[in-house]
Amino acid sequence: GDSVTQTEGQVTVSESKSLIINCTYSATSIGYPNLFWYVRYPGEGLQLLLKVITAGQKGSSRGFEATYNKEATSFHLQKASVQESDSAVYYCALSGSSGNKLIFGIGTLLSVKP
Amino acid sequence: EAAVTQSPRNKVAVTGGKVTLSCNQTNNHNNMYWYRQDTGHGLRLIHYSYGAGSTEKGDIPDGYKASRPSQENFSLILELATPSQTSVYFCASGDRPNERLFFGHGTKLSVL
Repeated sequence: GDSVTQTEGQVTVSESKSLIINCTYSATSIGYPNLFWYVRYPGEGLQLLLKVITAGQKGSSRGFEATYNKEATSFHLQKASVQESDSAVYYCALSGSSGNKLIFGIGTLLSVKP
Repeated sequence: EAAVTQSPRNKVAVTGGKVTLSCNQTNNHNNMYWYRQDTGHGLRLIHYSYGAGSTEKGDIPDGYKASRPSQENFSLILELATPSQTSVYFCASGDRPNERLFFGHGTKLSVL
């Protein structure tokens, strides 16, 4: 079936350092999935961070970027310089273009040290 | 900004008891969803709805029922709660999941 893999359950980064959170996907029943990053700040619900629906394109929001790499089936989340306020849980997700549901990864807890 | 409100925020239930989790949205979205989040798992879809009066099974529906009496409200019902249903539950609404979903703050359920 279709799935999303986030290899790191928890990542700790010092403030102002760079970040990469890995995400790979398998979309056996969906030819060209739409790809998303959602974020959950402490005490809040999930909210959309960014989305990309076309292979090869990059999405960006709040200093975060992710590129839809169809060949590598990857959608890694990157930020050049993290801030303490970025501490949150980040979820990679996919859906088909006409799908009725999102498929989520396990989430990566980002802790930014001051 | 779209709003999804879940109640209660925290719930402690006894094994074998009935639990109802409620969700209300003011977005006028047709679709609503119930997910659960457990450590080591992504959010997993329990039930969803395309509109008032409709409910559909998601990926892990066993032990759960859902009810959508109106456009705004979507409930998740555990008729006979078990400790394995201890989890954090999220409700969401959206026109299409491939566009954007709006989530509630979550309900932390503990079944003892």
